[in-house]
Amino acid sequence: DARVTQTPRHKVTEMGQEVTMRCQPILGHNTVFWYRQTMMQGLELLAYFRNRAPLDDSGMPKDRFSAEMPDATLATLKIQPSEPRDSAVYFCASGLPLESNNEQFFGPGTRLTVL
Amino acid sequence: AQSVTQLGSHVSVSEGALVLLRCNYSSSVPPYLFWYVQYPNQGLQLLLKYTTGATLVKGINGFEAEFKKSETSFHLTKPSAHMSDAAEYFCAVSDRTGGGNKLTFGTGTQLKVEL
Repeated sequence: DARVTQTPRHKVTEMGQEVTMRCQPILGHNTVFWYRQTMMQGLELLAYFRNRAPLDDSGMPKDRFSAEMPDATLATLKIQPSEPRDSAVYFCASGLPLESNNEQFFGPGTRLTVL
Repeated sequence: AQSVTQLGSHVSVSEGALVLLRCNYSSSVPPYLFWYVQYPNQGLQLLLKYTTGATLVKGINGFEAEFKKSETSFHLTKPSAHMSDAAEYFCAVSDRTGGGNKLTFGTGTQLKVEL
């Protein structure tokens, strides 16, 4: 049963600390998306990649957030330094747009709490 | 730019009653349309999607949606609600051409099912 995996599932950290979230997309999927979900803002697209290259990161605060795909099986989202306002659930999604008409498959999310 | 409007951030129905969740979109050309469901502490899961062909689309768990071009709507329905349908539902649109295969999500509708 192919699915997107994310680690860690929960993270509590203190303001100023570095946070790294990891995502393993479904094998063979060439597009990876990072979203942030909060009560106030809902679901926001932070960045996405195709074939490991960043296509759009306009939704991401550039000064503290960075997203990379070191290889086709791993995507990372890093926050340095973290702030309380970064507390949210971060979702990774992957897809194979041409074959699936842009359907995206979501991971279970990383719930981040910054104290 | 595409946009999605979901009328009603909270909908409450009795068990066994009809479920109707509304979604209207704005797009210069007919887009791909999606409904996703999110259960507590989980990622988003695809319920159904419209790409082409028959405008009445059937999805999982007894849900269906009808694409109405003239009304720019894609409302989600289920004839008889079950307690297990309590969740948050998101409507999303995607450009058929270009657009980077991104999904634009609505703000979500929380469905409550009462005995």
